[in-house]
Amino acid sequence: AQSVTQLGSHVSVSEGALVLLRCNYSSSVPPYLFWYVQYPNQGLQLLLKYTTGATLVKGINGFEAEFKKSETSFHLTKPSAHMSDAAEYFCAVSDKTSYDKVIFGPGTSLSVIP
Amino acid sequence: KAGVTQTPRYLIKTRGQQVTLSCSPISGHRSVSWYQQTPGQGLQFLFEYFSETQRNKGNFPGRFSGRQFSNSRSEMNVSTLELGDSALYLCASSLGYGETQYFGPGTRLLVL
Repeated sequence: AQSVTQLGSHVSVSEGALVLLRCNYSSSVPPYLFWYVQYPNQGLQLLLKYTTGATLVKGINGFEAEFKKSETSFHLTKPSAHMSDAAEYFCAVSDKTSYDKVIFGPGTSLSVIP
Repeated sequence: KAGVTQTPRYLIKTRGQQVTLSCSPISGHRSVSWYQQTPGQGLQFLFEYFSETQRNKGNFPGRFSGRQFSNSRSEMNVSTLELGDSALYLCASSLGYGETQYFGPGTRLLVL
């Protein structure tokens, strides 16, 4: 069965610093990979996704992630953190036979310190 | 274009009761998925419907059921509510296979 791990349930960065949120997955075949963001009392918003093709994926709000098959990782980065980036971030996977059955990681809460 | 809407937004029930939650997808979207979010278990996939047919199902007991109507609107039902069913229930819609899912704001259910 697929699973997703996110290293660090809580990450704090200073405003303007690099954001790095880690995600590793377990799957027998390369899955589809996603990063979602959730602001308080709201639903989830897709930041970016990897399906096929280029392994470096650019998303909204300046975020990007790189799919590394050899490391089974899909880490999320942003060069410069903004206060508005404070939120919960979820890494997720689905397989190519049931794309809409998405398995989420436990989430990482990002705090941005002014 | 209007986003995914879920009703009601908040709900309080007592143990043993049943509840029905509603989800209206984005116009033109035919796939609707449901998720349960709790502090302890995180986000868990419940089921997914496409053109009124359940295509995928998560590992939840039979007390959790759903359906989709011809206009793509979906409902999920939980019977014989338990305290552990207290959660945020999220609905997501997409055009279909391989397309991006868009999430609604969720229905927060509290079981007393």
